[in-house]
Amino acid sequence: GNSVTQMEGPVTLSEEAFLTINCTYTATGYPSLFWYVQYPGEGLQLLLKATKADDKGSNKGFEATYRKETTSFHLEKGSVQVSDSAVYFCALTAGNQGGKLIFGQGTELSVKP
Amino acid sequence: DGGITQSPKYLFRKEGQNVTLSCEQNLNHDAMYWYRQDPGQGLRLIYYSQIVNDFQKGDIAEGYSVSREKKESFPLTVTSAQKNPTAFYLCASSMNPGTGGHEQYFGPGTRLTVT
Repeated sequence: GNSVTQMEGPVTLSEEAFLTINCTYTATGYPSLFWYVQYPGEGLQLLLKATKADDKGSNKGFEATYRKETTSFHLEKGSVQVSDSAVYFCALTAGNQGGKLIFGQGTELSVKP
Repeated sequence: DGGITQSPKYLFRKEGQNVTLSCEQNLNHDAMYWYRQDPGQGLRLIYYSQIVNDFQKGDIAEGYSVSREKKESFPLTVTSAQKNPTAFYLCASSMNPGTGGHEQYFGPGTRLTVT
C-alpha cells in the first residue's frame, strides 16, 4: 500500500542553520507530494507541493524536489529562523484514491536563537 | 475571506455522551475530510466525502458518524462507542480530485477532551 516515512524528530537547530528533513514514499503510479506545517495548537498549512517527477516545490525559503528514482521528497531550507519552529508533515495522494492524503508521522523542528 | 471553520476550538464531554463537531467551508470545494491527531503522531483519516449525500469510511471510522447534507458542511459525531475519543480533530476540504489539484486545506481544529 501507499506510505510515507519521515525522519524522526525532534530536530534542534540554531538560527541560520541549514535544514533538511528527509521524506521517502511508497506508492503505485504517480503520486502528488506535499509538505504541510503545523504550528502549536493549530491546523495544518500547505507549505509546498510537487505533482510530477523532477518538479521543485518552493515557498517561504523552503524547497523540495520530487525524485522518482529515489522515491524521495526531502524538505530543505538554507537558513532557518526561530519562527520556523513547528511540526512538518510529508504527505502524498495517489490516483484513484478519492484525494485521500497519506501522511508521514511528522517531524518536530525546534530552532534556537 | 474563504476558508474552513471548525467550532468550538475546545470541547469537554463526559464519557458516554455523543458529541458533534462542526466543520464549514466556503471554498466551494467538493470533497471534505475528517482526521484525528493524537500527541506526537501523524493524522489518521476518519471519514471523507467527495460529494453531497455521499461519504466513505477512512482508516479509523469505528465509533464515529458523519453526514453531508450540504456542500459546505460536514459535521462529525463522536459516539459513546469510540473507546478513546480524546484527541485533536481536524477537518479539511479540497477540490474534486477528478477536476483539479489534490491539496487539502485544513481548519484550525477542535480539541476534544472526554472524562
